[in-house]
Amino acid sequence: EAQVTQNPRYLITVTGKKLTVTCSQNMNHEYMSWYRQDPGLGLRQIYYSMNVEVTDKGDVPEGYKVSRKEKRNFPLILESPSPNQTSLYFCASSTGQGAGDTQYFGPGTRLTVL
Amino acid sequence: AQSVTQPDIHITVSEGASLELRCNYSYGATPYLFWYVQSPGQGLQLLLKYFSGDTLVQGIKGFEAEFKRSQSSFNLRKPSVHWSDAAEYFCAVGANNNDMRFGAGTRLTVKP
Repeated sequence: EAQVTQNPRYLITVTGKKLTVTCSQNMNHEYMSWYRQDPGLGLRQIYYSMNVEVTDKGDVPEGYKVSRKEKRNFPLILESPSPNQTSLYFCASSTGQGAGDTQYFGPGTRLTVL
Repeated sequence: AQSVTQPDIHITVSEGASLELRCNYSYGATPYLFWYVQSPGQGLQLLLKYFSGDTLVQGIKGFEAEFKRSQSSFNLRKPSVHWSDAAEYFCAVGANNNDMRFGAGTRLTVKP
């Protein structure tokens, strides 16, 4: 089954404790991205990657890192999480960058930073 | 800069009633417009998208949307709502995937 998976689905952590949220897709998609979803703000893009070893900032990249060493994986790293990063995070993938390409979203990771 | 406004935060309709969710956008060129649905605990799923051509777009699950350039709107409609349609709905505009702007979402509740 074609899908985007994220782990963990739920995470509660404390300020400053490094964490990684994994994202994996099995559709051989070149394009992957991370969003955060906050009430009243919709989804905002954090980082995106157009291919292996190619990443770039989205609208809200501060406090986040990403890497794209393999085509299928695109982990999101919070090296020193803060409470304002408490949010619902989504990973997405598509065949390319174009608007005609449908983005496929993972199920989301709900992060709470205390 | 492009932006999307969904004026209704929460809408409640009775099962079997018709539905219209509003979406207004601001975009400098011909927009690419999308509607996504997010069921509880799930990621977003594309309902439909508009690039050009016929301004009435058919999507999955019986949804349709109409692009009205003069009103900068892309409203989502369904003639008869089912209880399983209860979800959050997002309108989005963008020229490509790293330029997408999402609305704040409209939560739909369906009454029995």
